[in-house]
This record gives sequence, C-alpha cells and structure tokens, in this order.
Amino acid sequence: DAKTTQPPSMDCAEGRAANLPCNHSTISGNEYVYWYRQIHSQGPQYIIHGLKNNETNEMASLIITEDRKSSTLILPHATLRDTAVYYCIVRGGTDKLIFGTGTRLQVFP
Amino acid sequence: DAGVIQSPRHEVTEMGQEVTLRCKPISGHDYLFWYRQTMMRGLELLIYFNNNVPIDDSGMPEDRFSAKMPNASFSTLKIQPSEPRDSAVYFCASSKLQGTNEKLFFGSGTQLSVL
Repeated sequence: DAKTTQPPSMDCAEGRAANLPCNHSTISGNEYVYWYRQIHSQGPQYIIHGLKNNETNEMASLIITEDRKSSTLILPHATLRDTAVYYCIVRGGTDKLIFGTGTRLQVFP
Repeated sequence: DAGVIQSPRHEVTEMGQEVTLRCKPISGHDYLFWYRQTMMRGLELLIYFNNNVPIDDSGMPEDRFSAKMPNASFSTLKIQPSEPRDSAVYFCASSKLQGTNEKLFFGSGTQLSVL
C-alpha cells in the first residue's frame, strides 16, 4: 500500500469547517483513499472513501487532487463530538487496511 | 443490527495466564479482522479471515497468539501464556467486501491488562 503523510495534530473552532490534509504521492492507479476516525476509547469508524472523483456523504466531503497525490477531508461544520484521531489510508483491491498515526483533531468551543 | 460485539470489555489477568478474547461479527459479513492498539505501535493488524478461513496471520506477534473462527458468527483470539507486553486494546472488525468498496465495522474493543 502507498504510504500517507498527515499532520500529527490540528485545531478547529466549533461550527467552522475542519480541513484535514493527506499526502499520498506514491498512490497507484487502482488504489482508493479511505478515511476513518477514532474517537477516544472507541473503535475506528469509517467516514468516506474515493478513487479520483470528489465524494460527499452525510459525514464529510473528500476532495482528491487531479494528480491524486493528495486529498483533503472536510467536516463542514465541526462539533465537539468530531474531536478524534483521523486516519487517511490508501488501499488497493483486497489489500489489508493499514492504519498510520493519523491526525489528532481537537475541536474547541 | 447490533454491530460487532466483543467480550469481555475489560480483562485483567496475571502474567502466564491464558486469555481468550471473543468477537461476534455483523451477520452476513465475509471478513473478520483482529487489530491491536498500543500507544507505542498504534493500530496493528494481527490476522484476518475470509469465510472463516485465516488469510493472513503475518501480524500475529508470536506463537503465543492464536486465532480461530469456527463459524461465521464467532471468532476468538487467544494468548497463552500472556505477558505484560501484551497489554493493549484489542479490536475486532468485520466487513462485507463489495468490490473495492470495503468498509470495516469495528467493535468497542477489549482492554487487556496483564500484570
């Protein structure tokens, strides 16, 4: 699997958009970008995934650059409950899902 | 569906004792995964099953660890004998592979403390 690089931590004010970046410069053509998050003491939770088009669901939006070497997860209106560690994972086909160190997002009032 | 169910939620044991962690995946899911999480090493994939068959156990730390999946609704992770360095949170996850749109659903984990 291609490796990803994420900032170790970020802050965001409640109600504002949280934009979490991820670099995956060695991504292959058949590899997807997945985002999971882990709220303290809970199991990781799937957020969204995409291949090359931007994706949106009820939780977040995923913006993937045209060259696919980076992506951004957007939480449009962050709440205190969005405080968590966010993992960006690149995975192809039936490869294993390997978690890195992620970004610790702190949403403050 | 109740989601992935793990038991026990917490386990405290003494070094040398056998520990068995249990997992009930979501009904209909084909894949089951065991992960371990520590502060030092983060989330590590230990082993995963497809249709009850172990596919990749390369993450299992050593022979003291074993995992079984006797049927589609139950899996165990056993540590015998346990050591203090096995202290961690152990997560079970399951998924229904749909092409490349695989989403893992995680349980709440078992917090293991080996004294």
